[in-house]
Amino acid sequence: QKEVEQNSGPLSVPEGAIASLNCTYSDRGSQSFFWYRQYSGKSPELIMSIYSNGDKEDGRFTAQLNKASQYVSLLIRDSQPSDSATYLCAVNTGFQKLVFGTGTRLLVSP
Amino acid sequence: DAGVTQSPTHLIKTRGQQVTLRCSPKSGHDTVSWYQQALGQGPQFIFQYYEEEERQRGNFPDRFSGHQFPNYSSELNVNALLLGDSALYLCASSLFYSGVADTQYFGPGTRLTVL
Repeated sequence: QKEVEQNSGPLSVPEGAIASLNCTYSDRGSQSFFWYRQYSGKSPELIMSIYSNGDKEDGRFTAQLNKASQYVSLLIRDSQPSDSATYLCAVNTGFQKLVFGTGTRLLVSP
Repeated sequence: DAGVTQSPTHLIKTRGQQVTLRCSPKSGHDTVSWYQQALGQGPQFIFQYYEEEERQRGNFPDRFSGHQFPNYSSELNVNALLLGDSALYLCASSLFYSGVADTQYFGPGTRLTVL
């Protein structure tokens, strides 16, 4: 079992729709969770961090964490073509390193 | 406020050669982590430096080594390059807080091609 799992996609949504990206992790001792956006050929850019169970909202983005189910998600409301990118879920297991999933490719069509 | 910087941007080497990549952390940060990202994969943790010491290491061979300087900048060295070392090398900086590295911010990366 991979430590952090994401559906590779692509996830295709029309402009203005809600995009839902999911991530599961295996280490129950994980402390903190991050979503990064990565455009093709570029480096990862931090979107959201979440540390406690529940929802955390920042603009059009909402991160959701359920530690009991070992599940993290990212919702993008009012999706725009500029949101088209690969979204990486990263988990800090408490050992001072980030473990990444392989990323979900999101395509937002005009 | 300067972000994380890395040099060089691109690098082409041949098998067996050695390479040094450089990173300057974000202003105010004291911890540098290095990651390798192969095409189509998520970044893989190589190691992390804090207080000029390697604090944590991922599953990479000893050919990968590093250093952190008193100004918090860091170098990644790779010896005896293999074709499989071709990847995007990412440096991430963070602030070491209460024993756990805080949110990590990535530099633009160095694209290494080994021929």
